[in-house]
Amino acid sequence: DIQMTQSPSSLSASVGHRVIITCRASQSISSYLNWYQQKPGKAPKLLMYAASSLQSGVPSRFSGSGSGTDFTLTISSLQPEDFATYYCQQSYSSPWTFGQGTKVEIK
Amino acid sequence: QLQLQESGPGLAKPSETLSLTCTVSGGSISSLTYYWGWIRQPPGKGLEWIGDIFYSGTTYYNPSLKSRVTTSVDTSKNQFSLRLSSVTAADTAVYYCARRLQWELGGALDYWGQGILVTVSS
Repeated sequence: DIQMTQSPSSLSASVGHRVIITCRASQSISSYLNWYQQKPGKAPKLLMYAASSLQSGVPSRFSGSGSGTDFTLTISSLQPEDFATYYCQQSYSSPWTFGQGTKVEIK
Repeated sequence: QLQLQESGPGLAKPSETLSLTCTVSGGSISSLTYYWGWIRQPPGKGLEWIGDIFYSGTTYYNPSLKSRVTTSVDTSKNQFSLRLSSVTAADTAVYYCARRLQWELGGALDYWGQGILVTVSS
């Protein structure tokens, strides 16, 4: 199985600040990397697919980059509605696996 | 707008079989573009992929659960289902159904149901 490791596991940030979350795969996954946002009591929501493609309807302050084993999700200016847990997921090889999550909290 | 809705018992007894159904509305399950999957999340923990099924019946399962998982699809009802046998307390989780793009299109899970909490307890 491909292991996905996110860092940090949690972070505190202020509204308006830039936030960067990283995700590392245990082997190369090309660009088969997706990012999800999950708010408490809700289903995950797809933010980014294929590492750097913004899902329809997602604000442009979200961006993704990377290929191979190292990826990042950037929120350029954190908004109150962005406080949530973020998960990366590889779709390169079954079983599809997720990172452990990064919880973004208000500072 | 595509919608997915999980249904089934919220309580299962240890050693018994958990059965859930996902009803798809606003789109056809008989699409060449998508697989239909199950993902679970134990309380306070992360996400675990369980398995996918294509409308033709082709399946992919997580090896960690494969011996206990069966999925099926009913195209006439636009539904797909999950059965997980020999459940224990470790199977207590919110179970989500979701739509997954074909691998050639990136494989992301782009639509999710709201989730259903299944508790395993006697």
